[in-house]
Amino acid sequence: GENVEQHPSTLSVQEGDSAVIKCTYSDSASNYFPWYKQELGKRPQLIIDIRSNVGEKKDQRIAVTLNKTAKHFSLHITETQPEDSAVYFCAASILGTGKLIFGQGTTLQVKP
Amino acid sequence: NAGVTQTPKFRVLKTGQSMTLLCAQDMNHEYMYWYRQDPGMGLRLIHYSVGEGTTAKGEVPDGYNVSRLKKQNFLLGLESAAPSQTSVYFCASSYGQGYGYTFGSGTRLTVV
Repeated sequence: GENVEQHPSTLSVQEGDSAVIKCTYSDSASNYFPWYKQELGKRPQLIIDIRSNVGEKKDQRIAVTLNKTAKHFSLHITETQPEDSAVYFCAASILGTGKLIFGQGTTLQVKP
Repeated sequence: NAGVTQTPKFRVLKTGQSMTLLCAQDMNHEYMYWYRQDPGMGLRLIHYSVGEGTTAKGEVPDGYNVSRLKKQNFLLGLESAAPSQTSVYFCASSYGQGYGYTFGSGTRLTVV
């Protein structure tokens, strides 16, 4: 079945460093890839997304890259700040359904 | 706009009891979803709906039923609660395929 693998499960960086989270998907027909941030006790919130006709998208300190051939996509956070500490989820769409399959999540800790 | 509203926020059930979780959205979204979130397992899709009067099974549908009688509401029912259904339940909605989700604030359910 459809599957999304996300790595690493935990990531600890110093404030100001960069953080990279990687995901691999199994359905070659997937065409939409969002990323969500979930702070402790809160709901997941969409932070950035990318569609299959684009290789890279950037929004201030956050960027996402997509490699359709290899079926993987990555989230890049530059100049990390303590408020970036959260759980991050990647997801991939299932064509024709409107469903998203989520990765297992990455807990990012940014140390001051 | 309230976005996506879930009720209740917390609930404790005894094994074998039944309950209904309500999700309401005011964004005129066509698609609605129920996910459960368990530690280390990400977000897993229980059931979803692509429009009023339609429902479909997700990854983990057993033990749950849903109804979408009105476009703005999506109900999740547990007929006979089991301890394995202890989880945080998130409702979400979207415009459709290729669009991100807006999540509700979640329902923390404990079955004892």
